[in-house]
Amino acid sequence: DVKVTQSSRYLVKRTGEKVFLECVQDMDHENMFWYRQDPGLGLRLIYFSYDVKMKEKGDIPEGYSVSREKKERFSLILESASTNQTSMYLCASSLPERGTGELFFGEGSRLTVL
Amino acid sequence: GNSVTQMEGPVTLSEEAFLTINCTYTATGYPSLFWYVQYPGEGLQLLLKATKADDKGSNKGFEATYRKETTSFHLEKGSVQVSDSAVYFCALIRNTGGFKTIFGAGTRLFVKA
Repeated sequence: DVKVTQSSRYLVKRTGEKVFLECVQDMDHENMFWYRQDPGLGLRLIYFSYDVKMKEKGDIPEGYSVSREKKERFSLILESASTNQTSMYLCASSLPERGTGELFFGEGSRLTVL
Repeated sequence: GNSVTQMEGPVTLSEEAFLTINCTYTATGYPSLFWYVQYPGEGLQLLLKATKADDKGSNKGFEATYRKETTSFHLEKGSVQVSDSAVYFCALIRNTGGFKTIFGAGTRLFVKA
């Protein structure tokens, strides 16, 4: 059974803290993505990666960075958390099938920044 | 640019009612279209997809037809169940270049017994 696993379902952090969100997939997928989900806004792409050590900015990369040292792992980093980064974060992966690529999602990490 | 617009929710229906959730899109080229579903406490999962005009995607009693002339991909089900209560997202991915999937805002469906 295919699986995308996010390390933490719920996190509470303080403003200014550095936050790491980890994502691991077991499907040998080349592409990995980080989205944030907010009510009324749907899913917005933060960063994506189409290969190890490669990364591309999505639509809202400000305040975030990512790391992909191994094919199966894609980490999202909040260098200095702020209250407007309180959100649900979703990791996804896909095969590199241009135009038809189904996304496989993890269960999400709900981050609260106080 | 590329965008997806879907009807605002929440949508509340009684069990066995007919469901339509409207979705329209704006895209350059010829996108592939998707419906994803998010059940409470879970991530999103693919419900159905269509990759070219006039294709019909179907799964679990849900259907959607890719209408290029109206740039629409409306989701329908003839008889909803309580277990269909979830948030439904319409999405597109372009067939030329890029890996990005563009999502609509999501429509929450409540089905009452």
